[in-house]
Amino acid sequence: NAGVTQTPKFRVLKTGQSMTLLCAQDMNHEYMYWYRQDPGMGLRLIHYSVGEGTTAKGEVPDGYNVSRLKKQNFLLGLESAAPSQTSVYFCSSSYGGSSYEQYFGPGTRLTVT
Amino acid sequence: AQKVTQAQTEISVVEKEDVTLDCVYETRDTTYYLFWYKQPPSGELVFLIRRNSFDEQNEISGRYSWNFQKSTSSFNFTITASQVVDSAVYFCALIGSSNDYKLSFGAGTTVTVRA
Repeated sequence: NAGVTQTPKFRVLKTGQSMTLLCAQDMNHEYMYWYRQDPGMGLRLIHYSVGEGTTAKGEVPDGYNVSRLKKQNFLLGLESAAPSQTSVYFCSSSYGGSSYEQYFGPGTRLTVT
Repeated sequence: AQKVTQAQTEISVVEKEDVTLDCVYETRDTTYYLFWYKQPPSGELVFLIRRNSFDEQNEISGRYSWNFQKSTSSFNFTITASQVVDSAVYFCALIGSSNDYKLSFGAGTTVTVRA
């Protein structure tokens, strides 16, 4: 099992450019999540999904969109990147809700200049 | 609302010393789950332990131990006889049953173990 994988690992964007981050999991998990990690702030939830075809906003959703067309994939899109979106992005998945631990991908380091 | 506070930003110890990381949480839920994750310098997040609000039994796993006290809303983590490989950022996290998607993280404690 590969677990949770993220593509790409690193990316540099210019302000206004768009991109999509891909998260894939092979554990048949229902729940998937996107977080961003900024220095001194822990991880903050951007969007999440409780199953194929569903998405919902988390704590800091502005400037991001997501899609979950297939159970194993969860895409995070930035339509018009801003320097404030420079961060490390983590995807995670879990079998269900609160009682289950989340398994995290390796992260994507995004820099917006 | 739920919140996790890790008051210690950085801890530096010499190898073989014990390290205790503090975690204090707030939640209105009566059923909730607490977690510790480790983030080594390589950057990945590694799950260490999950504890539910009905189980206050403390746990020891090798050199790791956890002390969960509902009376003080604390879930502290101790590394005994620390090693250089323990150097990492450690995150405490909380999820309540009323918001079962929202895992709230503390800001993290950076542990540096010097040889």
